[in-house]
Order: sequence, then structure tokens, then C-alpha cells
Amino acid sequence: DAGVTQSPTHLIKTRGQQVTLRCSPKSGHDTVSWYQQALGQGPQFIFQYYEEEERQRGNFPDRFSGHQFPNYSSELNVNALLLGDSALYLCASSLGSGRNTEAFFGQGTRLTVV
Amino acid sequence: AQSVTQLGSHVSVSEGALVLLRCNYSSSVPPYLFWYVQYPNQGLQLLLKYTSAATLVKGINGFEAEFKKSETSFHLTKPSAHMSDAAEYFCAANTGGFKTIFGAGTRLFVKA
Repeated sequence: DAGVTQSPTHLIKTRGQQVTLRCSPKSGHDTVSWYQQALGQGPQFIFQYYEEEERQRGNFPDRFSGHQFPNYSSELNVNALLLGDSALYLCASSLGSGRNTEAFFGQGTRLTVV
Repeated sequence: AQSVTQLGSHVSVSEGALVLLRCNYSSSVPPYLFWYVQYPNQGLQLLLKYTSAATLVKGINGFEAEFKKSETSFHLTKPSAHMSDAAEYFCAANTGGFKTIFGAGTRLFVKA
């Protein structure tokens, strides 16, 4: 089992550009959540996808959008990149989303905006 | 609104010494609580979770945590630190819904 895989591992973009990050969930998982982890901070919830729909969203602007495909993989898109979007983006997958559901995290994508 | 506070952004212990990482939560409803560990350039790994069963929770790698409702705390402990325990530790809470709230993290240093 490959666990949660994210691509790419590192990315450098220029302000104003758009970026797409990808996540393949752990085998058997149907729910994907995305988090932003700025340097020196804890992960901040962006949104969660289940059955190809966004189920809940954190305090992030509409520049952040996502998608889940029928095979449960997911993409995170960020438009009009700002310097402040530089962070480690983590994808977590789970089977369902109950309060005590264990989420498995990928290694993340390190995004640098210059 | 729920929040998670980790006291001490950095903790340093000697190898073999007790590890104590502090976490307090603020929530109007009983939360489910988690501790995660993050090694450099890696994602988060679940150490243990509290789900309203036993208040003393045992996790992987010899870690355990005790839920104290009266103190709204969920501190992480390990009797004897090992060099391999050096990492970033995150306390997290879920009070319902699909969102998990994380603390800012505590970096643990282990001295030989």
C-alpha cells in the first residue's frame, strides 16, 4: 500500500500565477482533506472532499478551489498566487469523516511563491 | 469557537528523561483529541487519539496522553526520551463536522 501520495513534492511559482497540486488517497479511502502549513505553524484546514463534492471549507478565499475525481483522487488549485501562499500543502485521506476517523497524511507539496 | 493551544514552541530534554508536551483545548462540546508527529520533510503521523473512552490513552512509540476535562488538557508524555523522538508534535481537536483544528506545534529536541 503506497499510502497517500502527493505530487509534485516541490514547486516554485511566480506571484499571480496559478498552481495545481495533486493527491492520491490511501487505498480504500473515499475522503480527502487539504491543509496549508505555513512555516512554524500547525496545519490549517482548507477544505474536504467526499463523493466529488466539497463538504466543508475553512477560512480560505475563493482563490483556493478543489476537485475530487471518481477514483477519489483530488486536486487543489490556487489562483492569483500571493507570496503568503508559500507553505507546505498537506493532503489527508480517510474512510468517511467521523470525529474519531484516523486521517493519513501525505508528505506534502512545498510551494514557494516568488 | 474551538481552539488548541500548545504551551512551548520548543522543548529540550536529555536522552532518557521524561518527555512532557502540553496541550490545552477550548471547546463548548467534548472534543475528540489527537496527537500527531511530524519528522522533517514528511507528513503527519498519528501517535494516539482520545475518543471519550478511557481518559488515559496509549499510543505508538511509548507515548501516552491523559484527557483531563476539568483542566481542558491533553498532555503528551513519554517516560524515557530517545534520540529518534526528536520531531515536531501537534495536538489537534475535532468537535464535530469535518474540520480538525491543529495547535501551532512543539518542536522536541533530545540531547545526548
